[in-house]
Amino acid sequence: DIQMTQSPSTLSASVGDRVTITCRASQSISRGLAWYQQKPGRAPKLLIYDASSLKSGVPSRFSGSGSGTEFTFTISSLQPDDFATYYCQQYNTFTWAFGQGTKVETK
Amino acid sequence: EVQLVESGGGLVKPGGSLRLSCAASGFTFSSYSLTWVRQAPGKGLQWVSSISSTGTYIYYADSLRGRFTISRDNAKNSLYLQMNSLRAEDTAVYYCARIDYNNCFDYWGQGTLVTVSS
Repeated sequence: DIQMTQSPSTLSASVGDRVTITCRASQSISRGLAWYQQKPGRAPKLLIYDASSLKSGVPSRFSGSGSGTEFTFTISSLQPDDFATYYCQQYNTFTWAFGQGTKVETK
Repeated sequence: EVQLVESGGGLVKPGGSLRLSCAASGFTFSSYSLTWVRQAPGKGLQWVSSISSTGTYIYYADSLRGRFTISRDNAKNSLYLQMNSLRAEDTAVYYCARIDYNNCFDYWGQGTLVTVSS
């Protein structure tokens, strides 16, 4: 199975900061990567698919890049509503796997 | 509006069984693949199983194959997860989600809590 390694596990930041999260796949997944946001007690929300495509309605401060085994998720200017946990997910094969998650907390 | 509503969670003893349901509305149910994802308390997301639109293709996480069975009834717009031989480590919130045409999980239910404890 493909394993996803996400880092860091926790990130402390302030409103207005640029935030970057990295996700690595154990083998090439081309561009089959998504990013989700989850807030406590809520279901995850899809933000980005195909590594860099923004889901309709998602603010443009969220972006993604990468291909193969290395991927990056960026929030260009952190907003109060963005404090949450973020997960990467691969879907290159007919199995799906999530990274361990990155909690973005207030510095 | 797309809605997915899970039900069937609860407290079950180790070794017991439980069947989860997910009722869907707001989209053409028979056109989409669906999936179950779980989240243990305070932990990350774990993909459990997926089923194609017609039910022809079924996929499971390796660690769960043999104990869990996914199914669907397109006439009832419903998705199911039969869970047998439950263990304490199966304790989690179980979410159903729709798989979009990019193979991502674009809509999620609110989740149902399964607690396995004696």
